[in-house]
Amino acid sequence: QKEVEQDPGPLSVPEGAIVSLNCTYSNSAFQYFMWYRQYSRKGPELLMYTYSSGNKEDGRFTAQVDKSSKYISLFIRDSQPSDSATYLCAMSSPPGTALIFGKGTTLSVSS
Amino acid sequence: DTGVSQNPRHKITKRGQNVTFRCDPISEHNRLYWYRQTLGQGPEFLTYFQNEAQLEKSRLLSDRFSAERPKGSFSTLEIQRTEQGDSAMYLCASSLVASYGYTFGSGTRLTVV
Repeated sequence: QKEVEQDPGPLSVPEGAIVSLNCTYSNSAFQYFMWYRQYSRKGPELLMYTYSSGNKEDGRFTAQVDKSSKYISLFIRDSQPSDSATYLCAMSSPPGTALIFGKGTTLSVSS
Repeated sequence: DTGVSQNPRHKITKRGQNVTFRCDPISEHNRLYWYRQTLGQGPEFLTYFQNEAQLEKSRLLSDRFSAERPKGSFSTLEIQRTEQGDSAMYLCASSLVASYGYTFGSGTRLTVV
């Protein structure tokens, strides 16, 4: 079993839809959880980060962490074609150490 | 300084050759990380530096791979005796100590033929 599991999709939604992206993990030592967005031929770009359990909102994006279930989610409201990208979850123990990434979910938003 | 810079962007090499990649981090960032990403996979951690000290190496980093960060500024990643399985995107990232997340470069895409 990999440390971090993420459904690779692809996921296709119409513009304006609410998107839910998820990851599960097995290492209970993970405390810091991040979501990155990666466009084709580019490096990953940090979208959201959260510490331990709870919710965090930033504009159209909401990140949720449930440590008891070892489950994290990213919700995108009012999705736009420009949101079409691969979304990677990542996590670590102390901040600034090695990030462990999921495989990434490829999202396509059609206008 | 607008971000993490990686050179070259693309490298095609023959099996058995040595290759070296360079990463220039954001100037005030003291941590520098190397990752490898293959098609359809998330980035896999290789190694990271704090200033010039190499603090952690993944077991993915075989003895054919070596990374340096002289003087705590830019870093190089060298792969000796390349194999076809080394074909991947090599990503560099930098951060401040104990900060959340990193800033990634656009990567160096290596193709071994």
